[in-house]
Amino acid sequence: EVQLVTSGGDLVQPGGSLILSCVGSRFIFSADWMSWVRQAPGRGLEWVAVMNRDSSEKYYVDSVKGRFTVSRDNAKTSMFLQMNSLRAEDTAVYFCVRNGATGTVDYWGQGTLVTVSS
Amino acid sequence: DVVVTQSPVSLPVTLGQPAFISCRSSQSLVHSDGNTYMNWFHQRPGQSPRRLIYQVSKRDSGVPDRFSGSGSGTDFTLKISRVEAEDVGIYYCMEGLRWPWTFGQGTTVEIK
Repeated sequence: EVQLVTSGGDLVQPGGSLILSCVGSRFIFSADWMSWVRQAPGRGLEWVAVMNRDSSEKYYVDSVKGRFTVSRDNAKTSMFLQMNSLRAEDTAVYFCVRNGATGTVDYWGQGTLVTVSS
Repeated sequence: DVVVTQSPVSLPVTLGQPAFISCRSSQSLVHSDGNTYMNWFHQRPGQSPRRLIYQVSKRDSGVPDRFSGSGSGTDFTLKISRVEAEDVGIYYCMEGLRWPWTFGQGTTVEIK
């Protein structure tokens, strides 16, 4: 079955930076769009960013535009989320997600916790 | 952006009884390709979400047939025909029409 292993979550001060990583396996990584979805503690799900197969298309939710950058390395079956100028409201579990097909996401990683606090 | 309104927020149900969760979108989810992109996910405490339904009514492999999705345009429903203990948790709908995709607020299903 598809596996998505997410890492990189940590405690970081407001204004700081962090990079999250996601390694995919048991599927053809280069064939799929990939997304990041986050969930603040005790809250619902929020889609953050998506990227197409060759990184030529990237879309972000307004609240992270200009601060977060999504990228991927298909040779290493990996996706990354560079997060800069972090704010307290970015505190959440971040999930790496495979899009799989148009209009949907099918497999979710285990999530990694990012805490922004002084 | 598409706004998705999900109800109810909390749904206490009796084992063996049906449960219904509703999602309404601010605009039609019919894509130019003719498909309608409404999804349903289930999240148990401490776990990642799991997809149950995509394209309104297509059930994922391994999802029990007591789960069904219906609807069209802007109004959608997830039905659990006979609730079992393992069905507790939070259910989310998600539209996949255009970026940024949006989730409903979530419905917490608990056993009475």
